[in-house]
Amino acid sequence: GENVEQHPSTLSVQEGDSAVIKCTYSDSASNYFPWYKQELGKRPQLIIDIRSNVGEKKDQRIAVTLNKTAKHFSLHITETQPEDSAVYFCAALPGFQKLVFGTGTRLLVSP
Amino acid sequence: DTGVSQDPRHKITKRGQNVTFRCDPISEHNRLYWYRQTLGQGPEFLTYFQNEAQLEKSRLLSDRFSAERPKGSFSTLEIQRTEQGDSAMYLCASSLVLADNEQFFGPGTRLTVL
Repeated sequence: GENVEQHPSTLSVQEGDSAVIKCTYSDSASNYFPWYKQELGKRPQLIIDIRSNVGEKKDQRIAVTLNKTAKHFSLHITETQPEDSAVYFCAALPGFQKLVFGTGTRLLVSP
Repeated sequence: DTGVSQDPRHKITKRGQNVTFRCDPISEHNRLYWYRQTLGQGPEFLTYFQNEAQLEKSRLLSDRFSAERPKGSFSTLEIQRTEQGDSAMYLCASSLVLADNEQFFGPGTRLTVL
C-alpha cells in the first residue's frame, strides 16, 4: 500500500523567512496530494492541494510542487507569519479512496 | 455551521465500556470517512462509506469496532469493550465522489480510556 514520508518533523523559522516541507510517496497510482494545517486541538484544515497532472500550484503565500517521476511533493510558505505556526500534514490519495498521511511537521514561526 | 460536525467532542470512559460517536457530514457529500489520530501522528484511515455502503475497512479496525451509515447521511462509530490503546482522536471527514477529492474534516471526538 501507499506510504508517505514527511520531513522535517520540526521546523523553526523567523517571521518573514520561507519554510519548505517535503514529502515522498511510494504508490505511483496516487493522483491527488493535499496539504492540511492543524492547530492545537483543532481539525485538520485543507490549505492547498495538487493533482497529478499539474507540476505546481500557488495560492498567495503558499505553493506546492509535485515531481511525479521522483514521487515527491513539497509545500512552500513564503513571508511566514506567527499565525502560520501549526502542524502541517501532507497526504496522498492512491486511487479515489482513503488519504494516507505523513507524520506531520511542526512549524514554529518566531516574531 | 454547514461543515462536518461530530458529537461528542470529548469522551472519557472506563476500560471495558462501550462508546458510540456520531458524525454529520456536509449535507450534499456522499462519501464519509473515519480516521484515528494519536498524539504526534497523522490521521490513519479506519473506514469509509459511499452513501450507505461501507466500501473499505482498515486492518486497524478490529472486531470491536463497527461503523454504520444507515440512511447515507450521518454515521456512527461504535467501540465495544474499550481498551486503553483506543485512546485517540477520532476524526470524521466527508467529500463528494464527483468533486475534486477534497475531504473536509470534522472537529473530532477525543476518546480517553481510563
